[in-house]
Amino acid sequence: DQQVKQNSPSLSVQEGRISILNCDYTNSMFDYFLWYKKYPAEGPTFLISISSIKDKNEDGRFTVFLNKSAKHLSLHIVPSQPGDSAVYFCAARDTGNQFYFGTGTSLTVIP
Amino acid sequence: NAGVMQNPRHLVRRRGQEARLRCSPMKGHSHVYWYRQLPEEGLKFMVYLQKENIIDESGMPKERFSAEFPKEGPSILRIQQVVRGDSAAYFCASSPWAPWDTQYFGPGTRLTVL
Repeated sequence: DQQVKQNSPSLSVQEGRISILNCDYTNSMFDYFLWYKKYPAEGPTFLISISSIKDKNEDGRFTVFLNKSAKHLSLHIVPSQPGDSAVYFCAARDTGNQFYFGTGTSLTVIP
Repeated sequence: NAGVMQNPRHLVRRRGQEARLRCSPMKGHSHVYWYRQLPEEGLKFMVYLQKENIIDESGMPKERFSAEFPKEGPSILRIQQVVRGDSAAYFCASSPWAPWDTQYFGPGTRLTVL
């Protein structure tokens, strides 16, 4: 059973525009959420995280939003750059301290 | 400070052989996690280890799979009598301070079973 879902397998965005990647989860006990970025033939790289006590966390061009009532997480990248083209995974940690990953969204930023 | 190291990067085995995957965590990291990514799927947790201890192996298949993290040397994920369904990318991650803190991933080992 997939507790963390990324329903869009791919997304294409023009350079300079905003990229919005979405993630839904089912377990209301998740207390910590992360986004990872993955290039081909490399391991995932930590990007940004948010605690369940917050609804927004910003780091440069990257902002993560958390809507606990909707069990929804999103990553905003603005402005998008060609180097942002990668697969993005969202992950959530439960109170048993185990991480669950989504299936990933492949982002392509078109120059 | 070198990142998480995994070797080999690619491993080809025939059905019935053994596969050994190695992971050296980042310097100063004492928590190691193994994940498997099957085609078209996300990362699935397998096992969490600290030095000389298996802390959580709830994601590990009950048979043929084992993991260790000895006092000296890398963590090893061992798959005995591999089958075609074991073909996947295996990622190792490590974290510094606390269990399940932000994890830093290695480049992965792609296992292909012929």
